[in-house]
Amino acid sequence: NAGVMQNPRHLVRRRGQEARLRCSPMKGHSHVYWYRQLPEEGLKFMVYLQKENIIDESGMPKERFSAEFPKEGPSILRIQQVVRGDSAAYFCASSPSIPGLTNEKLFFGSGTQLSVL
Amino acid sequence: AQKVTQAQTEISVVEKEDVTLDCVYETRDTTYYLFWYKQPPSGELVFLIRRNSFDEQNEISGRYSWNFQKSTSSFNFTITASQVVDSAVYFCALSEAGRQAGTALIFGKGTTLSVSS
Repeated sequence: NAGVMQNPRHLVRRRGQEARLRCSPMKGHSHVYWYRQLPEEGLKFMVYLQKENIIDESGMPKERFSAEFPKEGPSILRIQQVVRGDSAAYFCASSPSIPGLTNEKLFFGSGTQLSVL
Repeated sequence: AQKVTQAQTEISVVEKEDVTLDCVYETRDTTYYLFWYKQPPSGELVFLIRRNSFDEQNEISGRYSWNFQKSTSSFNFTITASQVVDSAVYFCALSEAGRQAGTALIFGKGTTLSVSS
């Protein structure tokens, strides 16, 4: 049973380009969460999605950032017109859909390191 | 505001030494949860332990032990007889009770532990 798969592992973009980060949840998991780790900071929650729905995007910047989790395929975090301040590690986690879900049921991927030149 | 502080950025020890990773948290909630995660060189975050705010019993799991003290708002992690395989980044995290799992984890900046042979 493969874990949470994120790709690419490293992504380099120039200012103004678009970045697309992909996350394939664990088999059987229908919930996906994106976190961002800025340099010298801890991971911070960005967005929580279920299949075809955004449930909570309270941690996502209002502009240039969007996320989707289509019926088929991986979840995508999209950053338009990237700026240097977007350089960070972006982690994805997934969980099953179970009653009383608690945080230790989250499984994290290895992250995508985005570098904006 | 909620906050998790891991004051030690990097720690280096020699195999078989004991090492303690510090974690201090801030919250106004009376009910909350504390976590430790390990991030090995492969990158994925691995859940280690969850602690409820109303349970101050210390916990031991093999070479790992955790010391939770509400009086000092600390949740320290000790590795006894460290091994090279313990080399990783360790994150402490805090979560409010009653929040949707996955959306309310607040992480510290992490402590990088290097164990040499």
